[in-house]
Amino acid sequence: GENVEQHPSTLSVQEGDSAVIKCTYSDSASNYFPWYKQELGKGPQLIIDIRSNVGEKKDQRIAVTLNKTAKHFSLHITETQPEDSAVYFCAALRDTGRRALTFGSGTRLQVQP
Amino acid sequence: EAGVAQSPRYKIIEKRQSVAFWCNPISGHATLYWYQQILGQGPKLLIQFQNNGVVDDSQLPKDRFSAERLKGVDSTLKIQPAKLEDSAVYLCASSLVVGSPLHFGNGTRLTVT
Repeated sequence: GENVEQHPSTLSVQEGDSAVIKCTYSDSASNYFPWYKQELGKGPQLIIDIRSNVGEKKDQRIAVTLNKTAKHFSLHITETQPEDSAVYFCAALRDTGRRALTFGSGTRLQVQP
Repeated sequence: EAGVAQSPRYKIIEKRQSVAFWCNPISGHATLYWYQQILGQGPKLLIQFQNNGVVDDSQLPKDRFSAERLKGVDSTLKIQPAKLEDSAVYLCASSLVVGSPLHFGNGTRLTVT
């Protein structure tokens, strides 16, 4: 089945700096890659997603890039703010067969004011 | 639109007892998922429903876990008997169709003592 690896497990940045979180996946049939933000005591919330026919997608301070050949995708957050502090999860979904998201292990991002 | 509703928010039980969790998905969402999230890990799929039929329950410990989705709307996840290792957050999610973005509830935090 699909295996998603996520790095780093923790990331501390100064407010205003950029943060990058990287994920790799194993299943070449995966074609949908969402990113979720989880705050304490809440469920994961979708912040951005990308499909395999697109290499990059941007939404204000958040961007995601996808390298399908290398099977890795990354989340980029620019001009980080304290409210960006949370746990971020990447995930992958295949386009055939078992079609439920497989999640990475999460990255705890702390933005220091 | 109203989000995914889950109850209870917290539950503490002793091992070998039984427990049930309830989920009400977003109206009109055909696909419903139960995920288990152990502290410090990413969500792991337990079961996926399409309307009221099971699509994938390959990772559900069927000797102790059961789930149903009557009338293709609400769903209940049950554990009987509970073990210490079942301590986790149980997340319910729904999506319009398979492959569309998942929307998560805030989960039920289960502690088994």
